[in-house]
Amino acid sequence: DAGVIQSPRHEVTEMGQEVTLRCKPISGHDYLFWYRQTMMRGLELLIYFNNNVPIDDSGMPEDRFSAKMPNASFSTLKIQPSEPRDSAVYFCASSYFYNEQFFGPGTRLTVL
Amino acid sequence: KNEVEQSPQNLTAQEGEFITINCSYSVGISALHWLQQHPGGGIVSLFMLSSGKKKHGRLIATINIQEKHSSLHITASHPRDSAVYICAAIREGNEKLTFGTGTRLTIIP
Repeated sequence: DAGVIQSPRHEVTEMGQEVTLRCKPISGHDYLFWYRQTMMRGLELLIYFNNNVPIDDSGMPEDRFSAKMPNASFSTLKIQPSEPRDSAVYFCASSYFYNEQFFGPGTRLTVL
Repeated sequence: KNEVEQSPQNLTAQEGEFITINCSYSVGISALHWLQQHPGGGIVSLFMLSSGKKKHGRLIATINIQEKHSSLHITASHPRDSAVYICAAIREGNEKLTFGTGTRLTIIP
């Protein structure tokens, strides 16, 4: 298996633009997580899904952020409109049941 | 106060030294992750444990549930072990990870 795949790896956009981050979990995994990492706050959980259903989105910073998982092999994290304070590395991770999580390579987002 | 605390924040050691990184947590957990993040940014899960001890190569992780404490040990440290090590607690009742602030380890040849 190729592991967790994220795209794009780098994204530079201007304030106010819509940003969509994509994630393909490991086949067979039933949990998918979205994390954000910044220098100031470290790693934070944004939202996680179980069997494509959002379980906990309490970490989503505000209504500008939304996440979907239309099927078991694909998830998106959308920011609309983007702001400079959204600049961070966004990681997707997946796991099977209550086992260890496997992380994707991350998307480095810069909002100018 | 963070729910997951790590110490030390930074650690520099000579190649070959025995390394210990500590993690304490204040919430009820079902398991604890140790993660490694290299300067390139990728995150790798080293261990997930809920009791006792696990060993993989030169890495050993222990956890004491009663004392709410875990340690990561590296024997015969090598410059390639230089990375940020992060402990993350899996809260009881769900799959949420609560992260420590990380320990930046530098091994000098």
